[in-house]
Amino acid sequence: QKEVEQDPGPLSVPEGAIVSLNCTYSNSAFQYFMWYRQYSRKGPELLMYTYSSGNKEDGRFTAQVDKSSKYISLFIRDSQPSDSATYLCAMSARGAGNTGKLIFGQGTTLQVKP
Amino acid sequence: EPEVTQTPSHQVTQMGQEVILRCVPISNHLYFYWYRQILGQKVEFLVSFYNNEISEKSEIFDDQFSVERPDGSNFTLKIRSTKLEDSAMYFCASSVGQRETQYFGPGTRLLVL
Repeated sequence: QKEVEQDPGPLSVPEGAIVSLNCTYSNSAFQYFMWYRQYSRKGPELLMYTYSSGNKEDGRFTAQVDKSSKYISLFIRDSQPSDSATYLCAMSARGAGNTGKLIFGQGTTLQVKP
Repeated sequence: EPEVTQTPSHQVTQMGQEVILRCVPISNHLYFYWYRQILGQKVEFLVSFYNNEISEKSEIFDDQFSVERPDGSNFTLKIRSTKLEDSAMYFCASSVGQRETQYFGPGTRLLVL
């Protein structure tokens, strides 16, 4: 089983739709969960950062972490064409010896059509 | 807003040649990372660096790879003898602490012919 799994899509939605992006993971040591946005041939840009379980909201973006199910989600409300990008989930473990390395999902390509 | 910068943006090299990829992390950050992304694949961890030494490296980071922080601002990745399979986008990242947000640079696209 892969450490982090993410459906690569592509996912195509109309402008204004609510988008749901998800990742599952297998390593119960993961404690830090991130969502990055990556435009074509650019570096990942941090969108959301959460620690352990729960929800976090920032503008149109909501990140959810369910550690019991090893499942994380990113919701985008009122999606815009400018949201068209690849969304990467990433996570890291906590504890002695963990250096903060990030394990990434495959990335989901999102297209928001006007 | 402070950002991570990387040079060059593109590098083309012949197989067997040495390349050095350069990064300037955010100035108050203490943890530095290199990742790579082969076209169409996941972003993969290569190495983490703290307090002037490697703190962790992946299986990819073999003897052909080395990292250095030659002065107070630059962080470099050297590939001694490039292979075709080293062709990828290489990202530098930095963070204040090991549990803190990592900020990524724009990447260097390396093509080995």
